[in-house]
Amino acid sequence: IAGITQAPTSQILAAGRRMTLRCTQDMRHNAMYWYRQDLGLGLRLIHYSNTAGTTGKGEVPDGYSVSRANTDDFPLTLASAVPSQTSVYFCASKEGVDTGELFFGEGSRLTVL
Amino acid sequence: GQNIDQPTEMTATEGAIVQINCTYQTSGFNGLFWYQQHAGEAPTFLSYNVLDGLEEKGRFSSFLSRSKGYSYLLLKELQMKDSASYLCAVMDSNYQLIWGAGTKLIIKP
Repeated sequence: IAGITQAPTSQILAAGRRMTLRCTQDMRHNAMYWYRQDLGLGLRLIHYSNTAGTTGKGEVPDGYSVSRANTDDFPLTLASAVPSQTSVYFCASKEGVDTGELFFGEGSRLTVL
Repeated sequence: GQNIDQPTEMTATEGAIVQINCTYQTSGFNGLFWYQQHAGEAPTFLSYNVLDGLEEKGRFSSFLSRSKGYSYLLLKELQMKDSASYLCAVMDSNYQLIWGAGTKLIIKP
């Protein structure tokens, strides 16, 4: 593993189903983020974690939850998927809250029918 | 509210120069970033400005004026591979990144 790995890369999901998007980084970065990207809109922050054991809500947190049990992993869960959650999801990390550039995973394309 | 504005789309010719502008209104300022995103791929870091002035990195340069809430990305000697979206983002007082919607740059031969 080098950098940030996301899984799955693509998924089609029935509405109402539960889904977890996985994110793992091997750079020992403290800060991690989940964004969604929709056509015509900027990247929107869903949830973030400044360090292992802490999480916070971003701009669009409703319908999503996260956990940060350790430094490397930051999974995003959709408890009951809805069609408006169809999007491309990017996990990202950086060295610290106030330092460094943001590194992105390759993205997870989610379609909710 | 916080706002980042950049043009939706620009077209330029291979070998030419293009300037992509970004204006911002945010709660505090802890730096401005430019990212490049090719279609279907993740954004990748291009530049970071925290002080006024021009930062040059090869064919790409980025300028910042904090008093005007303004930045631009200058791309010289355009190549076809520069066709991509260019994202402007500002780090606010809480160290969160506020993103513009991106500028899609189309390069024509």
